[in-house]
Amino acid sequence: AQSVTQPDIHITVSEGASLELRCNYSYGATPYLFWYVQSPGQGLQLLLKYFSGDTLVQGIKGFEAEFKRSQSSFNLRKPSVHWSDAAEYFCAVVLNYGGSQGNLIFGKGTKLSVKP
Amino acid sequence: KAGVTQTPRYLIKTRGQQVTLSCSPISGHRSVSWYQQTPGQGLQFLFEYFSETQRNKGNFPGRFSGRQFSNSRSEMNVSTLELGDSALYLCASSFSGGANTGELFFGEGSRLTVL
Repeated sequence: AQSVTQPDIHITVSEGASLELRCNYSYGATPYLFWYVQSPGQGLQLLLKYFSGDTLVQGIKGFEAEFKRSQSSFNLRKPSVHWSDAAEYFCAVVLNYGGSQGNLIFGKGTKLSVKP
Repeated sequence: KAGVTQTPRYLIKTRGQQVTLSCSPISGHRSVSWYQQTPGQGLQFLFEYFSETQRNKGNFPGRFSGRQFSNSRSEMNVSTLELGDSALYLCASSFSGGANTGELFFGEGSRLTVL
């Protein structure tokens, strides 16, 4: 079955430190990959997406992610975390249906806390 | 440009009742998807509507239904509510529909509590 795994439920980092959030997926084909962020009481906002091409993608708010086919991973990174980055982060995938529509399959999320 | 608007934001119902949630997509967006978010199951896809037609459906019982109007506004209905239906229901819109063609824009959600 299709699945997305975010191994870390909760991560705490100090402000200014670097961040890496892990995401692994299980599919036979190359999926489309996404990272979303959800602040408390809010909906989800897209940080970045990978469809094809360059495996290192840049997103909003200084985030980037790298697609590694050999590891079935799409880890999210940020060189220097700000207090406002405290939120819950979701990795999501959808199969490349080649034109027809699919739905997002989300990981369980990683909650990020930022220490001053 | 106004974002995705969901109403009501909060509601409390009792078991056995039914509930209708509304979603107004971003102007020009024709696809509306619904997701259920719970602490235990996370985010789960309910269904997607495009041009008033249900185009995709998740693995939820028939008590969960939806529809889309000609102005792209969408409603979802849950009948015979169960305690396990307590959740945040998120609506997302996109222009062409489908997560594999572009960005989904999410509303802030409708938080349903079933007592």
